Amino acid sequence: RKEVEQDPGPFNVPEGATVAFNCTYSNSASQSFFWYRQDCRKEPKLLMSVYSSGNEDGRFTAQLNRASQYISLLIRDSKLSDSATYLCVVIPTGTASKLTFGTGTRLQVTL
Amino acid sequence: GAGVSQSPRYKVAKRGQDVALRCDPISGHVSLFWYQQALGQGPEFLTYFQNEAQLDKSGLPSDRFFAERPEGSVSTLKIQRTQQEDSAVYLCASSLEQALGQGYKGGYTFGSGTRLTVV
Repeated sequence: RKEVEQDPGPFNVPEGATVAFNCTYSNSASQSFFWYRQDCRKEPKLLMSVYSSGNEDGRFTAQLNRASQYISLLIRDSKLSDSATYLCVVIPTGTASKLTFGTGTRLQVTL
Repeated sequence: GAGVSQSPRYKVAKRGQDVALRCDPISGHVSLFWYQQALGQGPEFLTYFQNEAQLDKSGLPSDRFFAERPEGSVSTLKIQRTQQEDSAVYLCASSLEQALGQGYKGGYTFGSGTRLTVV
């Protein structure tokens, strides 16, 4: 079983839609969580950290459920420019902050 | 520099050839990571440096892979006797702080990567 699992998609949604991605992780002692965004043939870039209490950044909301070991990302009012791959990232305990990535979920926002 | 710089941007190697990939992190960044990203997959950890010390090389897939950061700044990832399965994008990331693990919320800056194709 992979340490971080995501539905690869693609998720095809119309502009203005709300879309949610989930990610599960296997190491219950993991303590840092992030969502990264990766555009085609580009490097990953930090979208947002995920905090235990949940956090919001504009149209983006991230949630963490430690009991069920999953992380979610909600995007409201999708824009064409949101089309990208969203990577769920976990730092397991004792790994010297080694980022462990999921395979990514591809989002395509259409007119 | 303003960002993490990697070179070459693209590399085509014949099977069996040795290659060297360079990463120039942001000046002053303590932590440096190498990742391998195969097509359609997320990046996979290869190795981690804190300054010049290689603290974790558990992700290197075989003894054909070797990384160094002799002066704690520029790093080189070397792959000997390349095989077709080595074809991937090799990403370098750096961070200002030491990668402490617990509660670490620091940002990592990735370079644009080197796309290696072994033919």
